[in-house]
Amino acid sequence: QVQLQESGPGLVKPSETLSLICTVSGYSIGRGYYWAWIRQPPGKGLEWIGSIYHSGSTYYNPSLKSRVTISVDTSQNQFSLRLTSVTAADTAVYYCARVVNSGSDYWGQGTLVTVSS
Amino acid sequence: DIQLTQSPSFLSASVGDRVTITCRASQDISSYLAWYQQKPGKAPELLIHAASSLQSGVPSRFRGSGSGTEFTLTISSLQPEDFATYYCQQLYSYPLTFGGGTKVDIK
Repeated sequence: QVQLQESGPGLVKPSETLSLICTVSGYSIGRGYYWAWIRQPPGKGLEWIGSIYHSGSTYYNPSLKSRVTISVDTSQNQFSLRLTSVTAADTAVYYCARVVNSGSDYWGQGTLVTVSS
Repeated sequence: DIQLTQSPSFLSASVGDRVTITCRASQDISSYLAWYQQKPGKAPELLIHAASSLQSGVPSRFRGSGSGTEFTLTISSLQPEDFATYYCQQLYSYPLTFGGGTKVDIK
């Protein structure tokens, strides 16, 4: 059974960097597929942040591209998200997910990250 | 960017009702469309992929159809566990985008 689990600080100060890790079990990232970060501000809809392939190639949402880095560590079976210069608008539940060619079939439970001083 | 417009944004229905949700894309996305169900406090769950393929384990009362720019999700007989918010997503081109969501509530 494929499982994904997000981890990282739940509180980040404005202007600082948000860092999250997604640990995958039940499937080796190195075998393939894209792996994505998606977020959802409280009470709002879903926003795709970016995706990474096991080889390291990445795609980012243009609205966040200047602040986002997604990386993969196949030896740890993890991929990570860095979002710099955060503001209150970055407060959201952050999800990681596996992306097959026509849908995201496995998701983490999500982690709430609040940006506040 | 490809915009996805879902309608309605909210619908009120009763158990046993047939429910239809529409997702319109701003350009042709072939069949690269997925539907998700999200319950409060939970991650979205994949219902339909490739516009009309039922994800493994999803009840057959869920049906996806369409291609190009117009897609529908139909629930043939609404069950109590189906009250949730539904999202469409296009995977045709980057950036991947989601529709605004349709909340299905109890009448």
